[in-house]
Amino acid sequence: DIQLTQSPSFLSASVGDRVSITCRARHGINTHLAWYQQKPGKPPKLLIHSASTLQSGVPSRFSGSGSGTEFTLTITALQPTDFATYYCQQVVNYPLTFGGGTTVEMK
Amino acid sequence: QVQLVQSEAEVKKPGASVKVSCQPSGYTFNNSAITWVRQAPGRGLEWMGWISSYNGNTQYARVLQGRVTMTTDTSTSTVYLELRSLRSDDTAVYFCASGGSCTSRSCFVDGLDIWGQGTLVTVSS
Repeated sequence: DIQLTQSPSFLSASVGDRVSITCRARHGINTHLAWYQQKPGKPPKLLIHSASTLQSGVPSRFSGSGSGTEFTLTITALQPTDFATYYCQQVVNYPLTFGGGTTVEMK
Repeated sequence: QVQLVQSEAEVKKPGASVKVSCQPSGYTFNNSAITWVRQAPGRGLEWMGWISSYNGNTQYARVLQGRVTMTTDTSTSTVYLELRSLRSDDTAVYFCASGGSCTSRSCFVDGLDIWGQGTLVTVSS
């Protein structure tokens, strides 16, 4: 199984901050990585697929980068609606594992 | 509104089986994969597997092999998840989600873009 390690697990930030979340894969996965946002009591929402392709309707302050084993989700100018938990998922090797999640909290 | 609609919450005893349904509303599956993901209380996301809306092919997580079955009723476009021999650690919210594309051989899922609202399954004696 391909283990995905997200860091940090928790992040405190303020509205307007630039935030970066890292996802590291134990083995190379090219650009076969997706990012999701989840709020309490709701299903996840797809933000980015193929490591850097913004899903339709997702604000451009979200961006993804990376390939191989290291990936980054960046939120420029954090908005109040962005306080949530973020997950990465590799989509190339079975099982299609998720990272452990990063919770972005209000400072 | 494009969405997936899931069945209501269930309470089951250990050793029993549960069957959760998932139906599209406002769109059709259109050869996509329907993936099941679960989330135990306060925990992260766990991929369970997918079923092809193209031909019913399946891919399951190894840890669930032998206990899980995903099926589709093409007449109603409804997808089902059945989990057997339930244990307390199967207590979770179960989500269905669609995304990717399928051929006669397999599916490639690059992201899950439409999700159901989730179904809470509680396993308790």
